[in-house]
Amino acid sequence: DIVMTQSPDSLAVSLGERATINCKSSQSVLYSSKNKNYLAWYQQKVGQPPKVLIYWASTRESGVPDRFSGSGSGTDFTLTISSLQAEDVAVYYCQQYYTTPRTFGQGTKLEIK
Amino acid sequence: EVQLVESGGGLVKPGGSLRLSCAASGFTFSSYNMNWVRQAPGKGLEWVSYISTSSSYIYYADSVKGRFTISRDNAKNSLYLQMNSLRAEDTAVYYCAREISSDYYIDFWGQGTPVTVSS
Repeated sequence: DIVMTQSPDSLAVSLGERATINCKSSQSVLYSSKNKNYLAWYQQKVGQPPKVLIYWASTRESGVPDRFSGSGSGTDFTLTISSLQAEDVAVYYCQQYYTTPRTFGQGTKLEIK
Repeated sequence: EVQLVESGGGLVKPGGSLRLSCAASGFTFSSYNMNWVRQAPGKGLEWVSYISTSSSYIYYADSVKGRFTISRDNAKNSLYLQMNSLRAEDTAVYYCAREISSDYYIDFWGQGTPVTVSS
């Protein structure tokens, strides 16, 4: 199984500041023939189901604010929130869909400092 | 409006069974792969099972293999999860999740149905 490891486990950032969450996979999730990284980022607010933010490691889902961006390739990925807003308080998960089982990172809890 | 509405959760004793359902609306259900993902209280997300559009491909997490069975009825726009031999560690909110069949990522989740396994 591909193990997804996020860092940090929790993060406190001031409003308007940048938040960065990292995700590392135990093996590459880059499908070379398609040149695509099978990696998604999800946001889960308290009491709600997850919501997709980013897929193919860097493609923003329709309707997601452009302050959210994803980067990385192979085994190392980053979710960046360029200017933190109060409504961004949530737990963020990365997930690989390169193979089954479709594993998730353990989650990163983002709070306001 | 896209909707996924789970039902069938509840309290069950260890060793018991439950059948979860997920009613889909607002999109062409038969064109999407489907997944079940669970979340234990206060914990992270755990993928449980996957079924392709025509049920040709089915996969399970090792933790539920041999005990859970995923199925779908495209005519009824419904997804199911038959859960047998339930254990305390199966206690979780179970989410039905839609996956774009050509791109493979989950793009929409239901609100979830809680399952509690306890004596």
